[in-house]
Amino acid sequence: EAQVTQNPRYLITVTGKKLTVTCSQNMNHEYMSWYRQDPGLGLRQIYYSMNVEVTDKGDVPEGYKVSRKEKRNFPLILESPSPNQTSLYFCASSLGPLGNTIYFGEGSWLTVV
Amino acid sequence: KQEVTQIPAALSVPEGENLVLNCSFTDSAIYNLQWFRQDPGKGLTSLLLIQSSQREQTSGRLNASLDKSSGRSTLYIAASQPGDSATYLCAVVSDDKIIFGKGTRLHILP
Repeated sequence: EAQVTQNPRYLITVTGKKLTVTCSQNMNHEYMSWYRQDPGLGLRQIYYSMNVEVTDKGDVPEGYKVSRKEKRNFPLILESPSPNQTSLYFCASSLGPLGNTIYFGEGSWLTVV
Repeated sequence: KQEVTQIPAALSVPEGENLVLNCSFTDSAIYNLQWFRQDPGKGLTSLLLIQSSQREQTSGRLNASLDKSSGRSTLYIAASQPGDSATYLCAVVSDDKIIFGKGTRLHILP
């Protein structure tokens, strides 16, 4: 079954404690991206990756890092989380960004206290 | 900078009615436009993908149209059902980025 899998699904953490949200897809997709979804602001792209070792900033990259060492994985790293990073995070993948269906993970609810 | 707008933000209609959801974008230089459905607390599910060279796409009771020149897309839902209640989002792809509208929250009244 075609899947984008995120972990953890739910996390409460404290300010400043580094955390990583993993994302894995089993469709051999080249394009992967991370979004955050906030009430009133909608979905905003954090980072995206066109292929292995190629990553670019989206609209709201501050406070986040990503890496793409393997095609299937695209972890999101919060080096020093702050309360304004409390949000619902989605990972997504597609064959490419320009003409293909986008598949989303189920989301990761992150609370930073 | 590309901006995507969806109006209305929320909509309630009686079961069985046909309805139209609207999406507008400011820059007509797009590669494609997609409509998604999101259930509360869940991820997004792609409903329809329209390439920039296409005018419309259909899947079951759903029909999406695209008018690039006017920067508009519509999602038509025929014979609405309570199970159609969800938030519907449109997204455009331009310059390797995917820009989402804020969605229309649809409630179908039984």
